[in-house]
Amino acid sequence: SQQGEEDPQALSIQEGENATMNCSYKTSINNLQWYRQNSGRGLVHLILIRSNEREKHSGRLRVTLDTSKKSSSLLITASRAADTASYFCATDWNFGNEKLTFGTGTRLTIIP
Amino acid sequence: EPEVTQTPSHQVTQMGQEVILRCVPISNHLYFYWYRQILGQKVEFLVSFYNNEISEKSEIFDDQFSVERPDGSNFTLKIRSTKLEDSAMYFCASIQGAGNTIYFGEGSWLTVV
Repeated sequence: SQQGEEDPQALSIQEGENATMNCSYKTSINNLQWYRQNSGRGLVHLILIRSNEREKHSGRLRVTLDTSKKSSSLLITASRAADTASYFCATDWNFGNEKLTFGTGTRLTIIP
Repeated sequence: EPEVTQTPSHQVTQMGQEVILRCVPISNHLYFYWYRQILGQKVEFLVSFYNNEISEKSEIFDDQFSVERPDGSNFTLKIRSTKLEDSAMYFCASIQGAGNTIYFGEGSWLTVV
């Protein structure tokens, strides 16, 4: 498998707290993308971080990438009930074909 | 924001029947994909399509599956003779160019009974 795991598999926090999810992978990558999926719904793109970038921000989201450790993290600050969803990292490692390999996902529950 | 659209959103079909899932990728995108997600499992790559031909396919994408871009806007996935294990959410995706964000549609739930 070209993709590792996300941890934790499930995370429950109180509204207003920060949530951190981690992703590991096994091969060199072109970029890494984070997606959100509400139950039974489509994949919503959150952030793309390229292999030569170390950190990116978008609103309440902060993504880091450590290529030496082959890992990434997604931080959601000041969580809201609407952030309840599954979060997936996906790596683009197949240079020239732009195919994504998804992780197993973290199920995030925000408790109001 | 432009989006990938998929139809139908849900389909129930009898085992052995043919199914066609339809997608309209974002208009200026060049690469097109189908992925699937069996309930509770990872999202899995099925096939990529570029320049009017399949560029890569996974082991899942066997002879029962085919893709077409019949008219320059639609991108279809056909399953010739559905099996129970084909029950899954099927996602279409597209990308403008190499290294860019891959955008996914809302998915088509396929239930084979």
